[in-house]
Amino acid sequence: QLQLQESGPGLVKPSETLSLTCTVSGGSISSSSYYWGWIRQPPGKGLEWIGSIHHGGSTYYNPSLKSRLTISVDTSKNQFSLKLSSVTAADTAVYYCAGREGYTYGWYDYWGQGTLVTVSS
Amino acid sequence: DIVMTQSPDSLAVSLGERATINCKSSQSVLYNSNNENYLAWYQQKPGQPPKLLMYWASTRESGVPDRFSGSGSGTDFTLTISSLQAEDVAVYYCQQYYSIPSITFGQGTRLEIK
Repeated sequence: QLQLQESGPGLVKPSETLSLTCTVSGGSISSSSYYWGWIRQPPGKGLEWIGSIHHGGSTYYNPSLKSRLTISVDTSKNQFSLKLSSVTAADTAVYYCAGREGYTYGWYDYWGQGTLVTVSS
Repeated sequence: DIVMTQSPDSLAVSLGERATINCKSSQSVLYNSNNENYLAWYQQKPGQPPKLLMYWASTRESGVPDRFSGSGSGTDFTLTISSLQAEDVAVYYCQQYYSIPSITFGQGTRLEIK
């Protein structure tokens, strides 16, 4: 049973870079059977896919965020990370990391509890 | 992008009654090669992450009560709760994974007790 936990600053200043890490337990992040993603939810609003990554480092980004986004994997720490640059108030949201076991991307079975990131000076 | 539109935005149903939530995709999410609909449903309670309820449009995730059912094909889908329980109060989201790795969610439907 996978468990995921997000960590990172809860407050980021406008124009700076938002950095979050998702620590995975209960499974190896480098397994070819797992697929990982980041999803965010602005306060009181719906879910937005940010991007996804597989163990080999293949990354896929939401086109609306692609120019500001980097997602990476650290197999030594069993973690994957999100960096979003040049943030504005519109990036204020609960950020979830998620994972699934399967042969390709799809739905997400496993979710972290989420972490609220507020962009404010 | 495949746009997912849910209706209604909110719904109030009496305990024990049927609740029906609709989800429409801007293009078909039925993959002809395997005849599967690339559609999932989630339940989200306040302060919690989404919980997977259904995938392949109508396959219940392990542990999900059988009062939850999913139906539909192509572009039109429905999540039905046959007999509403108090613990079903939540926001429900549909999600397409036809265009993986890119995925999109509906805007959500808030379900309350009447």
